[in-house]
Amino acid sequence: AQKITQTQPGMFVQEKEAVTLDCTYDTSDPSYGLFWYKQPSSGEMIFLIYQGSYDQQNATEGRYSLNFQKARKSANLVISASQLGDSAMYFCAMRERRTGNQFYFGTGTSLTVIP
Amino acid sequence: KAGVTQTPRYLIKTRGQQVTLSCSPISGHRSVSWYQQTPGQGLQFLFEYFSETQRNKGNFPGRFSGRQFSNSRSEMNVSTLELGDSALYLCASSLDLGTALVEQYFGPGTRLTVT
Repeated sequence: AQKITQTQPGMFVQEKEAVTLDCTYDTSDPSYGLFWYKQPSSGEMIFLIYQGSYDQQNATEGRYSLNFQKARKSANLVISASQLGDSAMYFCAMRERRTGNQFYFGTGTSLTVIP
Repeated sequence: KAGVTQTPRYLIKTRGQQVTLSCSPISGHRSVSWYQQTPGQGLQFLFEYFSETQRNKGNFPGRFSGRQFSNSRSEMNVSTLELGDSALYLCASSLDLGTALVEQYFGPGTRLTVT
């Protein structure tokens, strides 16, 4: 089974609007971390935000927030007030305590911000 | 603090040749992971090194190998190159805090083209 599933291959959003990128995960480990990365066309993966499985509150980093719904095993990324520079691939990833070192990545969502 | 650096950034090789890619992690990071990214297969985990030891390995043939030096710098080697090895190779480093689930930071990647 896929550890991380991103069902939206491509998304479009109007500049200044908010957008939600979906991510579901699969694990039986009670201790895990969820991550989002941004990959612009230049290729470098940029770390955006982290959510721990025991965190009571949703993580936020500037315009990024993570909508963590543990029972549904979802960790959606919300980008508020989209900017043209947000156009990129976005990857959801997970790390489990029992496997420790390995990151599991989803297939990514391509976001295009329309002026 | 300097980020993860990878050299070279671009490489063109011929089938049958071998190639060595280099990665210098963020200072203080002892865990280094390698990934292969292609349009068809997405981001695939190659291997992870910590304290000069390979801790995790992905599902790649033995032509792909790596090592880590005492200063945490890492190299990966691909022997007998095939056309399908054309990809963006990403290196990522992270702190290793025991069981803490910390994020990885990626380098800019090496784009390998095999002709």
